[in-house]
Amino acid sequence: SQKIEQNSEALNIQEGKTATLTCNYTNYSPAYLQWYRQDPGRGPVFLLLIRENEKEKRKERLKVTFDTTLKQSLFHITASQPADSATYLCALGGYGGATNKLIFGTGTLLAVQP
Amino acid sequence: GAGVSQSPRYKVAKRGQDVALRCDPISGHVSLFWYQQALGQGPEFLTYFQNEAQLDKSGLPSDRFFAERPEGSVSTLKIQRTQQEDSAVYLCASSPARPGQGQPQHFGDGTRLSIL
Repeated sequence: SQKIEQNSEALNIQEGKTATLTCNYTNYSPAYLQWYRQDPGRGPVFLLLIRENEKEKRKERLKVTFDTTLKQSLFHITASQPADSATYLCALGGYGGATNKLIFGTGTLLAVQP
Repeated sequence: GAGVSQSPRYKVAKRGQDVALRCDPISGHVSLFWYQQALGQGPEFLTYFQNEAQLDKSGLPSDRFFAERPEGSVSTLKIQRTQQEDSAVYLCASSPARPGQGQPQHFGDGTRLSIL
């Protein structure tokens, strides 16, 4: 069956360290992958997009990699801050051709301790 | 406001009642999506509109779920004869993109539906 897995447990790290979140998928060939941040009681907010022909993308303290052979994306937050604490969702898209619908993972809860 | 607006924010209904959830997308956005998010899970796709045309409704769980976007802007998700398993957060998202372009989706804060 089609599946997207993210870190199954919450990730607790110390302020200033780098947080690394994983997203593994099976049985998809997505054209792109997106990462979203979701705070409690709020909708997801877009962070980064990476396409299948790109290996790495950066935006400020954020970095995402995409390995289509391993079927894996890694999401890094460098110099993490307590304000980075949230749930992070990966989402695959562009596999069906007809729509932009996204298939989301279950999310990883990140807690950055001061 | 400039974002996606959803109403009501919270809805409590008794099992068997019909409910209607509203989404006001960002002005001018072509694409509109509805997702269902259960507690502790990621959003799950329900249906997609390009302007007023419903191009994909493969995620609607049953024929009790119906969505429309008659003028290509505001959309309504209707659930008839609600059941307890319909309890979830219903998210609406819009995007300026036509299919396949991968542009970000802009989400509203959702409607939390509780069926008693």
